Amino acid sequence: DQQVKQNSPSLSVQEGRISILNCDYTNSMFDYFLWYKKYPAEGPTFLISISSIKDKNEDGRFTVFLNKSAKHLSLHIVPSQPGDSAVYFCAASKGFQKLVFGTGTRLLVSP
Amino acid sequence: NAGVTQTPKFQVLKTGQSMTLQCAQDMNHNSMYWYRQDPGMGLRLIYYSASEGTTDKGEVPNGYNVSRLNKREFSLRLESAAPSQTSVYFCASSEMVVITYEQYFGPGTRLTVT
Repeated sequence: DQQVKQNSPSLSVQEGRISILNCDYTNSMFDYFLWYKKYPAEGPTFLISISSIKDKNEDGRFTVFLNKSAKHLSLHIVPSQPGDSAVYFCAASKGFQKLVFGTGTRLLVSP
Repeated sequence: NAGVTQTPKFQVLKTGQSMTLQCAQDMNHNSMYWYRQDPGMGLRLIYYSASEGTTDKGEVPNGYNVSRLNKREFSLRLESAAPSQTSVYFCASSEMVVITYEQYFGPGTRLTVT
């Protein structure tokens, strides 16, 4: 039972445009959400997070939006850069312990 | 600082063989984790250690054992490898087990069981 779903396995965007990565979850008890970025042959690295008491969190070019009623999370990258090409995982936790990861979306930003 | 290191980077085992995956961190973190990543499944938690001397099961612990050797090192052992354990294994560490503390991941060990 996949509690955190990333339904788009891949996304292609042109440099300078907006990238929108989506994530849906089924467990309404999740209270903290994170995005990780992963380059080939490396481990995931933390990107941005959001608590369930907020609906938006921004960090430079990266913004995460949370829609609790729809159980939907999205990551916006503006403007997209070729160095953003990577696999992006969303993750969620209940009670601020243990992460449940989505399956990942591969983002390709072309020059 | 090396961060989180894992050895080996690659390993091929035959069914039934045993091996230990090593993980070490130099960030003085209290908590350490083992995940596996499979195609179409994301990362799944195998075991974690909230602090030195403690270990707990994660989502998929069957077929694995762990040892928190000291604060720096957390090893994962496969006693009798099975093809279903073919995966990429990631070790991670964080200052505390509470998830608001960032987890830092190692580069992974790619394991194939034939």
